[in-house]
Amino acid sequence: GNSVTQMEGPVTLSEEAFLTINCTYTATGYPSLFWYVQYPGEGLQLLLKATKADDKGSNKGFEATYRKETTSFHLEKGSVQVSDSAVYFCALSVRRLGSARQLTFGSGTQLTVLP
Amino acid sequence: GAGVSQSPSNKVTEKGKDVELRCDPISGHTALYWYRQSLGQGLEFLIYFQGNSAPDKSGLPSDRFSAERTGGSVSTLTIQRTQQEDSAVYLCASSLVASGLSNTEAFFGQGTRLTVV
Repeated sequence: GNSVTQMEGPVTLSEEAFLTINCTYTATGYPSLFWYVQYPGEGLQLLLKATKADDKGSNKGFEATYRKETTSFHLEKGSVQVSDSAVYFCALSVRRLGSARQLTFGSGTQLTVLP
Repeated sequence: GAGVSQSPSNKVTEKGKDVELRCDPISGHTALYWYRQSLGQGLEFLIYFQGNSAPDKSGLPSDRFSAERTGGSVSTLTIQRTQQEDSAVYLCASSLVASGLSNTEAFFGQGTRLTVV
C-alpha cells in the first residue's frame, strides 16, 4: 500500500535558522508528491509539489526535491521566519485504476519559529 | 463558490446523537474527499467520491459513518450514535480530475470541529 512517513515534531527554531523536515514514502506506482501547510486557525493549503523524479518544487522560499532512489521528498528552507510557524504535511497521490487519485498524508510536523 | 465550504464550523453534540456535516466543493470539481484530523494526529482518509463512480469507502472507521454526494456536488458526512472518540476536525477537499492532467491539487475546506460530550 501507500504510506508517508515524516519527521516527528514539534520542531522549534529561531528566526533565520535552516529548516529540514524529512519525508519518505512507499507507493505502488509512480506517485506525485506534495507538501501542504496548515497555518493556525486556517485550512490546509498546498505549499509545493513535484510530479516526477528529480523535479524540485518551490514556493515561499521552501524547496523539496523528488528523490526516487531514496523515496524521499524532504522540505527545506534556508532562513525561516516567525510567520512560517504552522503544521506541515507531506503527501503523495497515485492514480488508481478507474478512479481519481487519492492523497495519502503523513502525520504532520508542527513547526514553531521564535523571534 | 470560490473555495471549499464546510458547515457547521463547530459542532458540540451529546454522546449517542447523530450528526451531519456538510461540504460544498469548488464548482466543477469532480473529486471530493473526507478526512479526519484528531488532536495531535495526522490526516485520516475516510471516503472519496469521483463523478458517478462508486465511492471509495475504505477509510470509514465503522458502520456508524456514512456519506453521500448528491448531484455530484454537495456532500454530507453522517455519524450515527456519536461516541467521544469521534471528536475531531473533519476536513473536506475537492479536486478537478480530467483526462490528460498529470496531477491534481486538492483544495481543503476549513473543517468542522466536532466535539462529542
